[in-house]
Amino acid sequence: DVQMTQSPSSLSVSVGDSVTITCRASQDIYTYVNWYQQRPGKAPKLLVFAASRLQDGVPPRFGGSGSQTHFTLTINNLQPEDSATYYCHQYYGAPDTFGQGTRLE
Amino acid sequence: QVTLKESGPVLVKPTATLTLTCSISGFSLNTDSAGVSWLRQPPGKGLEWLAHIFSNDDKSYSPSLRTRLTISKDTSKSQVVLKMINVAPEDTATYYCARVAERVTSYGVRRGNWFDPWGQGTQVTVSA
Repeated sequence: DVQMTQSPSSLSVSVGDSVTITCRASQDIYTYVNWYQQRPGKAPKLLVFAASRLQDGVPPRFGGSGSQTHFTLTINNLQPEDSATYYCHQYYGAPDTFGQGTRLE
Repeated sequence: QVTLKESGPVLVKPTATLTLTCSISGFSLNTDSAGVSWLRQPPGKGLEWLAHIFSNDDKSYSPSLRTRLTISKDTSKSQVVLKMINVAPEDTATYYCARVAERVTSYGVRRGNWFDPWGQGTQVTVSA
C-alpha cells in the first residue's frame, strides 16, 4: 500500500494566518492526490483534486501543489469556518489511502 | 444536484451481517463515468476506503476487508448496497458513501479518482 504521511497532526492558528499542510507519499504517485476538508460532525468535502485543481465553489485562498512524493495544501487568510480536519488522499496505488489528518484549531 | 444518503442499522451484534444502503440522486449508476464508493471513519480516527462499484459494474475492495465485503447496485432503485459479514466491535464507525469519478488505466483497469460529493454518513455501533 502507498503510505501517506501527513504533517503536522494539529495546528493552532489565528484568523488571517496562512498555513501549509504537507503529505509525503511512500512512492512516486505523480499528481494523484486529493485534499478534503472535514468540519466537526460533518462529512468530508473535496477541496483540491489531482494535486492542484481547485474544486468548483472552493475559495481561491485554498491551493494545492506538489508531485511525485511531496504534496502541500496551503490556506491563505484563514477564516473561522476553516476550523476543520484536512486529509490528503492518494488514488494512484491500490488501495486508495489517506493521510492521518491535520486538525486546524 | 448530486446527492447521496446512507441508511442502515445503528446497532449490530458481533458476528452479524451489516447491510448499508446508499440512495443516490442527480446522476446515473450506469452512465456518467461515475461510480459509488464506501468509506468509513471510526470514532475520533481517520478515513478508510472500503470499496468501489463503477458504472460498468466493475468492483474493487480494500484488500484487508475483501473477504468480508460485497458491493452491489440496483440501478432501477438508484441504490448501492454494501454488505459486511461477521462484524466485530472494531467495525464501529461512521460509514459514508460518495460518488467517485472514474478512469481507465493503461492496463484497462477501472480505478477511482476523487470522492465528490459525500453522503452525510451513518453511524454504526457493533456491540452485544
